[in-house]
Amino acid sequence: DVKVTQSSRYLVKRTGEKVFLECVQDMDHENMFWYRQDPGLGLRLIYFSYDVKMKEKGDIPEGYSVSREKKERFSLILESASTNQTSMYLCASSPIGLSWGIITDTQYFGPGTRLTVL
Amino acid sequence: ELKVEQNPLFLSMQEGKNYTIYCNYSTTSDRLYWYRQDPGKSLESLFVLLSNGAVKQEGRLMASLDTKARLSTLHITAAVHDLSATYFCAVMNRDDKIIFGKGTRLHILP
Repeated sequence: DVKVTQSSRYLVKRTGEKVFLECVQDMDHENMFWYRQDPGLGLRLIYFSYDVKMKEKGDIPEGYSVSREKKERFSLILESASTNQTSMYLCASSPIGLSWGIITDTQYFGPGTRLTVL
Repeated sequence: ELKVEQNPLFLSMQEGKNYTIYCNYSTTSDRLYWYRQDPGKSLESLFVLLSNGAVKQEGRLMASLDTKARLSTLHITAAVHDLSATYFCAVMNRDDKIIFGKGTRLHILP
């Protein structure tokens, strides 16, 4: 089974702190994604990566950055956390081809990190 | 810009009844996904629909895709309490980004 793990299930930080959210997948997937999920808004894509050291902005990248130094790990960074970044953060991975329209496989999601910024 | 709309957003129904969740999207796409999310849990893939007329079934759930109408449906047959969850549809846009609907929260009454 595909396993996507996230470093924390719950996290509480203060405004202005630098926050790191880590995601690791064990299926050698090329593509990795970070979403945030808010009530009434569904999932919104923050960033995605289709290869090591490669990244693409999603729909709401402002206030976030990412790092992909190794294939299995994709980190989301909040440089200076703000209260409007309080949310559920979901990481996902998928095999190569999702970006090329070739392979039909779906995304596999991690358990999520509920971040509260005070 | 691709927009994905689901309706209804909330649905409460009796066990044993049938119902359909609708997913409309605004621009051409040939890849649509359905996910399920239980409270406090992450998303679980249900179906991937790739072509016009595609139909997939798993237990009491059946999903279909009409690319001409830009519509997918998720039909629930003889609902049972275990199907209570939030269901998301998601569509791939031309930039290969996956855009999610807001989700349909389904509550099945015993």
